[in-house]
Amino acid sequence: AQKITQTQPGMFVQEKEAVTLDCTYDTSDPSYGLFWYKQPSSGEMIFLIYQGSYDQQNATEGRYSLNFQKARKSANLVISASQLGDSAMYFCAMREGAYPRLAFGKGNQVVVIP
Amino acid sequence: DGGITQSPKYLFRKEGQNVTLSCEQNLNHDAMYWYRQDPGQGLRLIYYSQIVNDFQKGDIAEGYSVSREKKESFPLTVTSAQKNPTAFYLCASSPGQGPTDTQYFGPGTRLTVL
Repeated sequence: AQKITQTQPGMFVQEKEAVTLDCTYDTSDPSYGLFWYKQPSSGEMIFLIYQGSYDQQNATEGRYSLNFQKARKSANLVISASQLGDSAMYFCAMREGAYPRLAFGKGNQVVVIP
Repeated sequence: DGGITQSPKYLFRKEGQNVTLSCEQNLNHDAMYWYRQDPGQGLRLIYYSQIVNDFQKGDIAEGYSVSREKKESFPLTVTSAQKNPTAFYLCASSPGQGPTDTQYFGPGTRLTVL
């Protein structure tokens, strides 16, 4: 079964607008971490933001915030005030318990237009 | 500057040849990982190492081998036994092994089999 689901088609976003990227996850482990990464066309995987399963508050990191709804097993990424440099693939990933693997979704393509 | 370096950026291999991809980190991280990315997909774990002289198979280890003789270095060898080696390979490291430990990635090596 897929651990991370990202189903949105590619998105076009107007510069300076906010965009929300959906991510749902599946785990029975009470201890897990959720991560969002950005992959521009150069290929490097850039860490954006982290949310722990026991965290009470939603994570924020500059223009990035994570809308964590534990009961719904949802961890959506919100990018505020989009910039042209935000054009990239965005991946949601989860790490469960003691196992070191990051389970990745298939990604969301975002294109920011001026 | 602390970070992860991978070399070469592009690698071409003839069928039947073994090739070695380099990964070096100066972040003083204990754990290191190798992932493979195929077009339109997320990453899949090949091998990981939690300490020097120890490493474990990930989800798709067949046809690959690794070594961890130094904390800073975790080279990956793609052997001729790997049936479909053309892919983008990403190395990562993290301070520890728990679900809260963020994995940071290098710039990647794109391997093409001719």
